[in-house]
Amino acid sequence: DIQMTQSPSTLSASIGDRVTITCRASQNVRTWLAWFQQKPGKAPKLLIYKASNLESGVPSRFSGSGSGTEFTLTISSLQPDDFGTYYCQHYSTYSYTFGLGTKLEI
Amino acid sequence: EVQLVESGGGLGQPGGSLRLSCAASGFVFSNYKMNWVRQAPGKGPEWVASISGSGSMIYHSDPVQGRFTISRDNAKNSVYLQMNSLRAEDTAVYYCARKGPIEAGMDVWGQGTAVTVSS
Repeated sequence: DIQMTQSPSTLSASIGDRVTITCRASQNVRTWLAWFQQKPGKAPKLLIYKASNLESGVPSRFSGSGSGTEFTLTISSLQPDDFGTYYCQHYSTYSYTFGLGTKLEI
Repeated sequence: EVQLVESGGGLGQPGGSLRLSCAASGFVFSNYKMNWVRQAPGKGPEWVASISGSGSMIYHSDPVQGRFTISRDNAKNSVYLQMNSLRAEDTAVYYCARKGPIEAGMDVWGQGTAVTVSS
């Protein structure tokens, strides 16, 4: 089974900061990688799909990059609404695997 | 408006059964793969099961294989999760989520329905 490892597990940052979250896959997942934001009591929200594609309606300060086993989610200038927990997810025809999450505190 | 609404959660007995439903609206339901994803208290999301738009391809995660069954009724724009042989570790909020077109991810989620397994 493919394992997804995120770092850091917790991140404290200030408004306007550039923030980067890393996700590593235990084997090559090409670009089958998505990023989600989740706020307490709410469902996850899709931000990025296929490693670098911005989901419709998501602010352009969010971007994703990477392929193979290493991926990053970058927030170019942190805004107050960006607090929450971020998850990476490998997806395939047969299964989906989430990382354990990065809690972003502002 | 594209929407998913789950129902059917509640208290289940260990070894018992529950059936979750997810009603879809605002899109051509039969065109989309649907999923169930759960999230235990204080934990990250965990994929549970997927079903193709036609219902011909079904996948379940290892922890629920043989106990849970995903199904759909395209005439009713609904997807279901039959949960048998419930265990304490099945306690979670259960979300249904739409898988977007080919390269896209899970782009639409419901609000979730809570399942608690306890005697």
